[in-house]
Amino acid sequence: SAVISQKPSRDICQRGTSLTIQCQVDSQVTMMFWYRQQPGQSLTLIATANQGSEATYESGFVIDKFPISRPNLTFSTLTVSNMSPEDSSIYLCSVESRGRNEQYFGPGTRLTVT
Amino acid sequence: DAKTTQPTSMDCAEGRAANLPCNHSTISGNEYVYWYRQIHSQGPQYIIHGLKNNETNEMASLIITEDRKSSTLILPHATLRDTAVYYCIVLLWGYSSASKIIFGSGTRLSIRP
Repeated sequence: SAVISQKPSRDICQRGTSLTIQCQVDSQVTMMFWYRQQPGQSLTLIATANQGSEATYESGFVIDKFPISRPNLTFSTLTVSNMSPEDSSIYLCSVESRGRNEQYFGPGTRLTVT
Repeated sequence: DAKTTQPTSMDCAEGRAANLPCNHSTISGNEYVYWYRQIHSQGPQYIIHGLKNNETNEMASLIITEDRKSSTLILPHATLRDTAVYYCIVLLWGYSSASKIIFGSGTRLSIRP
């Protein structure tokens, strides 16, 4: 299975600032995904990031608020821009392993906005 | 929206088999049934998946009904470490587009000593 790391693991940020979350995979993958998990809730897909193309955002999420980079096959970043307390969540990345028909998830980044 | 229905919560005695049901009555012929679990504050962990036949691995067994409208995840000998939220997901694989996982609310499984 793929080993996924995320940085930072947690952060406390002030309203109006931005935070960039990094996702690193130990093998090359085509598809990467970013999810948000608000307190006490299930996971919600933010966007799909395919290397070499623009990310595809789900309904309710926009690029200006959650810009995503995917510079190569092992790395992606998600930025949470102009943060408000409502952005306090766990943000997770996942990768698709087509050969095994599975997805693997990172440990998550716990963000608190004050 | 998630295409599955699961009980909100269940409990099971340690050492006993935990049987988690899932309804997916609108599943299409080429969609798989997947199970993931999320232990508190960690990323979801893949458990097992299947299409038509029953499947077993080192973690669990998956029983899919003949009409594929429901399935059951079986943890044969539940331990306290199996306490988690379990997600049943219907997913399409093998196509050019990404296989997006849409999570429902899941079942919160509590294992009691």
